Amino acid sequence: KAGVTQTPRYLIKTRGQQVTLSCSPISGHRSVSWYQQTPGQGLQFLFEYFSETQRNKGNFPGRFSGRQFSNSRSEMNVSTLELGDSALYLCASSLLGLEQYFGPGTRLTVT
Amino acid sequence: AQTVTQSQPEMSVQEAETVTLSCTYDTSESDYYLFWYKQPPSRQMILVIRQEAYKQQNATENRFSVNFQKAAKSFSLKISDSQLGDAAMYFCAYRLGNYGQNFVFGPGTRLSVLP
Repeated sequence: KAGVTQTPRYLIKTRGQQVTLSCSPISGHRSVSWYQQTPGQGLQFLFEYFSETQRNKGNFPGRFSGRQFSNSRSEMNVSTLELGDSALYLCASSLLGLEQYFGPGTRLTVT
Repeated sequence: AQTVTQSQPEMSVQEAETVTLSCTYDTSESDYYLFWYKQPPSRQMILVIRQEAYKQQNATENRFSVNFQKAAKSFSLKISDSQLGDAAMYFCAYRLGNYGQNFVFGPGTRLSVLP
C-alpha cells in the first residue's frame, strides 16, 4: 500500500500571499490530520477531517483552513502568510483516528 | 488540557547498548492511548509503539518496549541493542480514547547513537 503523500515538498512564499498544501492519505483511510512543526513550538495540531467533515480543530487563527474531498484527499490553506508560518507541515492519515501514519511533510518558508 | 512532557531534550547511547527515553503526561481521563513516534533526519514520522491505558501489560515491539506506569502517568521507551538507524527525534504522544480526539505530542528527545 502506498503511504501518505504530500505535495509540494518544498515551498517558498512571500508575506501576505496564500498557500495551499495537499495530502493524499493511505488508501482506505478516512481520517486526515494536519500538524505544524517548528523548532520552538514542536508539533502542534491544526485540524482533523473525517469523511469530508472537520471533526477536530486546534488553536490556530482563522487564516488556517482545510477541507477534505470525497476521495479522502485533503488540502490545507493558509491565507495572508506571516513569517511565523514558516514550518514543516505534516499530514497524517488514520483508518479510525487511532494510529496515525505521517507523510514526509511540506517545508514552507515565508520570506 | 492534556499535556505531554519529555524532560530529556537530547540523549546519546553507544551502539548495542540500551537507552531509556522518559515521558510523562497529565490527564484526568482513564481511557486513553499513548504512542512513541520516531522522526529520523529524513523527517518522516514513524510509529514505534502503542499502549492502551486499560492494558496493564507493557507493549513490546522487537527491540522497543515501554514501561507504562499509569498511576505515575509515566510512559518511558526502552530501546535495546541500539543501532545506528535508531538515531532520530522521538516523540511521545497522547490521545484520548474518545472517537475523534486529536493527538497531543511532547517536545521530543533527540537520540544520538554513537558507533
